Amino acid sequence: QKEVEQNSGPLSVPEGAIASLNCTYSDRVSQSFFWYRQYSGKSPELIMSIYSNGDKEDGRFTAQLNKASQYVSLLIRDSQPSDSATYLCAVTGSSGDKLTFGTGTRLAVRP
Amino acid sequence: DAMVIQNPRYQVTQFGKPVTLSCSQTLNHNVMYWYQQKSSQAPKLLFHYYDKDFNNEADTPDNFQSRRPNTSFCFLDIRSPGLGDAAMYLCATSGASGALGEQFFGPGTRLTVL
Repeated sequence: QKEVEQNSGPLSVPEGAIASLNCTYSDRVSQSFFWYRQYSGKSPELIMSIYSNGDKEDGRFTAQLNKASQYVSLLIRDSQPSDSATYLCAVTGSSGDKLTFGTGTRLAVRP
Repeated sequence: DAMVIQNPRYQVTQFGKPVTLSCSQTLNHNVMYWYQQKSSQAPKLLFHYYDKDFNNEADTPDNFQSRRPNTSFCFLDIRSPGLGDAAMYLCATSGASGALGEQFFGPGTRLTVL
């Protein structure tokens, strides 16, 4: 079983729609959860961090965490073509100082 | 602006010819990481330093070495690159471990092996 799982996509949404990206993880003692955006040929860019159950909003982005279900998601409201990228979910393990990444979900926003 | 810098951005080497990639940071972070990322794959951690304490991942090939001469700089040495080592190499830094652990990435070095 993979430690961090994401649907590889592509997830295609029209401009202005809500994009919903999902991630599950296997390590129950994981403490910190991150979403990175990675454009093709570029390095990952941190866009959201979440540490406790519930929702965290930052502009058009909302991260949701459910530790009981070992599930973290990212919602992107009013999706723009510039949001087209691969979104990597990352989770710290029990040691707390290393990230385990999922393979990413490719998002395509249609104009 | 505080940042993570990687040089060179693109590196071409020949099969078996040693290569060194560099990373510097102005964030004054105490943890530095080296990742390898191949196309459509997750970044794979090679090793990390917590201050000067070196931590090697169990599956990192011996062909890969690292040096951290001071807080700001970290180097990745590939002693005898093979075709399978062609990838993007990412340096990242973090200012805390435990519950925080946000990592910030440099722009990466794209390595081509001929």
